[in-house]
Amino acid sequence: GAGVSQTPSNKVTEKGKYVELRCDPISGHTALYWYRQSLGQGPEFLIYFQGTGAADDSGLPNDRFFAVRPEGSVSTLKIQRTERGDSAVYLCASSLLGENTEAFFGQGTRLTVV
Amino acid sequence: AQSVTQLGSHVSVSEGALVLLRCNYSSSVPPYLFWYVQYPNQGLQLLLKYTSAATLVKGINGFEAEFKKSETSFHLTKPSAHMSDAAEYFCAVRLLTSGTYKYIFGTGTRLKVLA
Repeated sequence: GAGVSQTPSNKVTEKGKYVELRCDPISGHTALYWYRQSLGQGPEFLIYFQGTGAADDSGLPNDRFFAVRPEGSVSTLKIQRTERGDSAVYLCASSLLGENTEAFFGQGTRLTVV
Repeated sequence: AQSVTQLGSHVSVSEGALVLLRCNYSSSVPPYLFWYVQYPNQGLQLLLKYTSAATLVKGINGFEAEFKKSETSFHLTKPSAHMSDAAEYFCAVRLLTSGTYKYIFGTGTRLKVLA
């Protein structure tokens, strides 16, 4: 597709379960970002990929969160032992490399942990 | 710390009135600044970005922003509000830290347009 695609759009899971959130970036975009947006807040940085490698994972809140991008395209954000506090909208964005490029965002995955 | 501050979490204007959404950045180097809009249950859409080519930047939907280095501001304006402008607006700065770029967002301003 032409834009960033995220699946699923909504995910409800029980506390303690494992979830995977998928992001398909714009074709050709080397940079990929994951953000988390809580209600009434701006997006908070989680992790940045440049190609296949995680160049900056300083925003991951703890070791229950992990993300991969094995072929430098699709990325998966994985959350183990989910907690109610993980409930948020998870946004994925991609961009070209370069100083003054903008990020293109997907519509997000709304995760609800019950 | 380098960040952006948006003054006013909620702004209400009448239809046809001027829209002014405030953003100040904290940076010691020329920043890369952006305004994004988020409609309900949607992702973020780029409105405009500061490229350093011109201090007055025009974006989509009639919005524009002026970069003022002396005030470290990048306020978003629109001369005449339309009902369809009701949304949440985020100012963002793209920073180079530890060799990688990341986007840092403000807390957002929810714009309400009154008929």
